[in-house]
Amino acid sequence: KAGVTQTPRYLIKTRGQQVTLSCSPISGHRSVSWYQQTPGQGLQFLFEYFSETQRNKGNFPGRFSGRQFSNSRSEMNVSTLELGDSALYLCASRQGQSSPLHFGNGTRLTVT
Amino acid sequence: AQKVTQAQTEISVVEKEDVTLDCVYETRDTTYYLFWYKQPPSGELVFLIRRNSFDEQNEISGRYSWNFQKSTSSFNFTITASQVVDSAVYFCALSEGYNAGNMLTFGGGTRLMVKP
Repeated sequence: KAGVTQTPRYLIKTRGQQVTLSCSPISGHRSVSWYQQTPGQGLQFLFEYFSETQRNKGNFPGRFSGRQFSNSRSEMNVSTLELGDSALYLCASRQGQSSPLHFGNGTRLTVT
Repeated sequence: AQKVTQAQTEISVVEKEDVTLDCVYETRDTTYYLFWYKQPPSGELVFLIRRNSFDEQNEISGRYSWNFQKSTSSFNFTITASQVVDSAVYFCALSEGYNAGNMLTFGGGTRLMVKP
C-alpha cells in the first residue's frame, strides 16, 4: 500500500505570494491532518479534515487554510506568505478515530 | 494545557550501546494517548508506538521498549544494542481525549546519533 504522498517536495516562494500544497492520503484513510515543523516552534498542528469537513484547527492565522476533496485528497493554502512561514509542512492520514497518524515526507517551503 | 517535554535535545552513543530517550508530559485529562515517532533525514515521521492512559503495561518490540509511568507522567523509550540505522530525531507526542491521534502535541524531539 502506498504511503502518504505530498507534492511538491520543495518550494521556493517570495514574500507576499501564496502557495498550495497537496496531500494524497493512504488509500482508505478518510482523515487528513496537517502539521508545520520549524526549528523554533517545533511540530505544530494546523488542521484536520474528515469527509471534506474541517474538524479541528490549530492556533494559526487565517492566512492558513485547507480543504479536502471527495477522494480524501487534501490541499493546504497559505496566502500572503511571510518569511516565518518557511517550514516543513507535514501531512498525515489515519483510517479511523482509534488509529494513529501516518505521515508523508513533507513539503519544504522556503519563503525569500 | 497539554505539554510534552523531551529534555535531551541530542544524544550520541556508540553502536551496541543501550540508550534511553526521556519524555515527560502534562495533561489535565484522564483519557489521553501517548506516541513515539521517528524522523529520519528523509523527513517523514514514522509511527513507532501508541499507548493510552489506561494501559500502563510496558511494551517491548525487538530492540525497542517503552516504559509508561503515570505516577511520574513519563513515557520513556529505550533502544537496546543501538545501531547506526537508529540515528534519527525521535519525537514523543500527546493527544488528549478519546480521539486517538487527533491534534498531537509534540515534544521538541531528541536527536540520536549512533556512531559505528
